[in-house]
Amino acid sequence: GQNIDQPTEMTATEGAIVQINCTYQTSGFNGLFWYQQHAGEAPTFLSYNVLDGLEEKGRFSSFLSRSKGYSYLLLKELQMKDSASYLCAVRDSNYQLIWGAGTKLIIKP
Amino acid sequence: IAGITQAPTSQILAAGRRMTLRCTQDMRHNAMYWYRQDLGLGLRLIHYSNTAGTTGKGEVPDGYSVSRANTDDFPLTLASAVPSQTSVYFCASSEGGGATDTQYFGPGTRLTVL
Repeated sequence: GQNIDQPTEMTATEGAIVQINCTYQTSGFNGLFWYQQHAGEAPTFLSYNVLDGLEEKGRFSSFLSRSKGYSYLLLKELQMKDSASYLCAVRDSNYQLIWGAGTKLIIKP
Repeated sequence: IAGITQAPTSQILAAGRRMTLRCTQDMRHNAMYWYRQDLGLGLRLIHYSNTAGTTGKGEVPDGYSVSRANTDDFPLTLASAVPSQTSVYFCASSEGGGATDTQYFGPGTRLTVL
């Protein structure tokens, strides 16, 4: 079966750096997405990786290793507004998105 | 403002009743999707449409139906609601085609079936 694993919850301090990991086992791979979802709101697109390596976008970076079935989202200079759930999703061989359950990130002052 | 709208925002429904969740996008996207989101689970695809006039089944289609008469609208119907259909429902759209295709989500409908 297809599986996306992420930690359920993480806690970090304002101003610090946090890394959210995602491992996947899917039938085929056509890219990996990270979305941010604030409580009670819709998911919003953060990043897309299809090749190995690091993609940097401001305070957020996303890394992919296809051989290891592994990605992480790195958030720097954490702000209180970064408190949200972060969803990892993989596009499989049928071009459907398979979603992880999400990681709830709690930022403490 | 361009985007996706969903209606209603929330609804409490008696079991056995019929309900249609509405979704409209004004981005002229080809593809549209319906997901449900339950606590502790990832988003699960109910139905999708790659282009107007076509629809397909996702991971959890039972008890739901969709239609895609035009590009903008993609309603989801629960023919006879059951308590297990209590969930938050998200509609999404994308340009369609290709691995980089990014999905954009509506604000969601919170449905409670009693």
